[in-house]
Amino acid sequence: GDSVTQMEGPVTLSEEAFLTINCTYTATGYPSLFWYVQYPGEGLQLLLKATKADDKGSNKGFEATYRKETTSFHLEKGSVQVSDSAVYFCALSEKTNAGKSTFGDGTTLTVKP
Amino acid sequence: EAGVVQSPRYKIIEKKQPVAFWCNPISGHNTLYWYLQNLGQGPELLIRYENEEAVDDSQLPKDRFSAERLKGVDSTLKIQPAELGDSAVYLCASSLNGADTQYFGPGTRLTVL
Repeated sequence: GDSVTQMEGPVTLSEEAFLTINCTYTATGYPSLFWYVQYPGEGLQLLLKATKADDKGSNKGFEATYRKETTSFHLEKGSVQVSDSAVYFCALSEKTNAGKSTFGDGTTLTVKP
Repeated sequence: EAGVVQSPRYKIIEKKQPVAFWCNPISGHNTLYWYLQNLGQGPELLIRYENEEAVDDSQLPKDRFSAERLKGVDSTLKIQPAELGDSAVYLCASSLNGADTQYFGPGTRLTVL
């Protein structure tokens, strides 16, 4: 079955540091890929997505590129802020069954001033 | 536009008691999901509805869990009787026609004592 593996956390960075959170996936087809973010006490929110190979999703300074050859979708941001502290989830959904999503276990990011 | 609404936000019960959670999706979203999120893990699908029909309930423990979405709008998830291992966050999400982007509510945090 489908699976998503995220780099284990927690990750602690200083403000303005560079962020990378690794995500790799296993899927039978060519899924759509997502990053969701969960702030304390809130539900998951879509951060960005990519639907085909070599697509780059971007939002709020975050970027991730769909790499079919390495089955990866790593999240990056050039300069993190304290307000980026949250839990980040990588996820996929099969195009043939778009309503069925598989999530990684999440990576907790803490940014210190 | 209102997001996905869930209630209650928190619930503490003793084991063997019943409990129910309520979810109202984004207006017009015909696909509704219930997820279980254990601490430190990603969401795991319990059940997915397309309008009134449960199209994927393969992961719902049917001996104690039940769900309904009678009019294809709001939904209720019930546990009877609750067990200690049911302590978790129960998330509701919705999407338009099973589109791959899901919108999540804040969740209900259940503690079973």
